Amino acid sequence: ETGVTQSPTHLIKTRGQQVTLRCSSQSGHNTVSWYQQALGQGPQFIFQYYREEENGRGNFPPRFSGLQFPNYSSELNVNALELDDSALYLCASSLSGTRNTGELFFGEGSRLTVL
Amino acid sequence: AQSVTQLGSHVSVSEGALVLLRCNYSSSVPPYLFWYVQYPNQGLQLLLKYTSAATLVKGINGFEAEFKKSETSFHLTKPSAHMSDAAEYFCAVERTGANNLFFGTGTRLTVIP
Repeated sequence: ETGVTQSPTHLIKTRGQQVTLRCSSQSGHNTVSWYQQALGQGPQFIFQYYREEENGRGNFPPRFSGLQFPNYSSELNVNALELDDSALYLCASSLSGTRNTGELFFGEGSRLTVL
Repeated sequence: AQSVTQLGSHVSVSEGALVLLRCNYSSSVPPYLFWYVQYPNQGLQLLLKYTSAATLVKGINGFEAEFKKSETSFHLTKPSAHMSDAAEYFCAVERTGANNLFFGTGTRLTVIP
């Protein structure tokens, strides 16, 4: 069984640039969620994708966008990067179903630094 | 909306001592509650979850948590700490109908030899 993999693991960008982060979900999982974890904080929900459609969004501006592909992998795109976007971005996959949202399987994250 | 509060951002215990990490929740409906662990430079791993069945939930690595409605608490315990338990622990609640988790700010556990 293949776990959740994310790429890249680390990256540095400057303010105003754009970034794309990628995630491959665990085998058999059809739902992908993205979380932002700032230093010293708990993860915050960005959005979730199910069947290639956004299926819930947290309190993040539109410059945070995503995609899910037919193979259930996903991308997180952030435009017009700001210094406060520096964080660990976590992807979590799960199998959709009644009250099954807690069974999240996390990748190791992509650490973004914005200078 | 549901939320959780973790009391104590840092907890230190001696090896072999009791581990107690505190979490209180706020919810107007019966919540689903979770504890996740994060080791350095890694993602989060599910330790245990409460989904309105037994109030005492056993998880991996010898951890357990008790759901106490009267105290709105879901504290995490382990009878005897091991060096390998040193990590960041997060309590989380499922947002009803929102299909996502609200995480607390975390508690960093240090185990002293």
